Amino acid sequence: GQQLNQSPQSMFIQEGEDVSMNCTSSSIFNTWLWYKQDPGEGPVLLIALYKAGELTSNGRLTAQFGITRKDSFLNISASIPSDVGIYFCQIQGAQKLVFGQGTRLTINP
Amino acid sequence: GAGVSQSPSNKVTEKGKDVELRCDPISGHTALYWYRQSLGQGLEFLIYFQGNSAPDKSGLPSDRFSAERTGGSVSTLTIQRTQQEDSAVYLCASSHGDRYQPQHFGDGTRLSIL
Repeated sequence: GQQLNQSPQSMFIQEGEDVSMNCTSSSIFNTWLWYKQDPGEGPVLLIALYKAGELTSNGRLTAQFGITRKDSFLNISASIPSDVGIYFCQIQGAQKLVFGQGTRLTINP
Repeated sequence: GAGVSQSPSNKVTEKGKDVELRCDPISGHTALYWYRQSLGQGLEFLIYFQGNSAPDKSGLPSDRFSAERTGGSVSTLTIQRTQQEDSAVYLCASSHGDRYQPQHFGDGTRLSIL
């Protein structure tokens, strides 16, 4: 099956720190999306990337679609308590919809 | 509300029983997806509906799992003869257009098999 590796699996940071997480795939895909899931809720879309090399920001969030179309990263600047949750990448393409295993973010105030 | 609605929010049942999970997508969304999320894991694709086309069932783990979408709107995921390994959160999502669009998720049904 499709290999999609998301790292790190978990992060423990201090409030105010910057955060970086990434996903890599074994194949080329045309669309990368990043979601956040709060406890007891479904994932919510944060950023969608459609072009290789694309860099997109949404407030304190920045995501990039790698030039090779095999990877993407998500950065969160100046973390705040409400950033706590699980972040998932998703790849779309070739009739596939695959989610990464998630990065669990914990913030110490 | 205007979001994806799933019911029930929690379901506890005995091993061997059948269960039905319901999803009401966002009005006007032609695509509907079911995923399974086991504790601490990512989302596992189960099935995808697009308009009146034949569904993509490639993610269903066994023939005990089936899903229907009536009238291009509400969908029901049925699990027959439930097993303990079926315990998970079942998430439904919908989107405009085809499968390569951002998805809007419901809050899921937490299924526990005793």
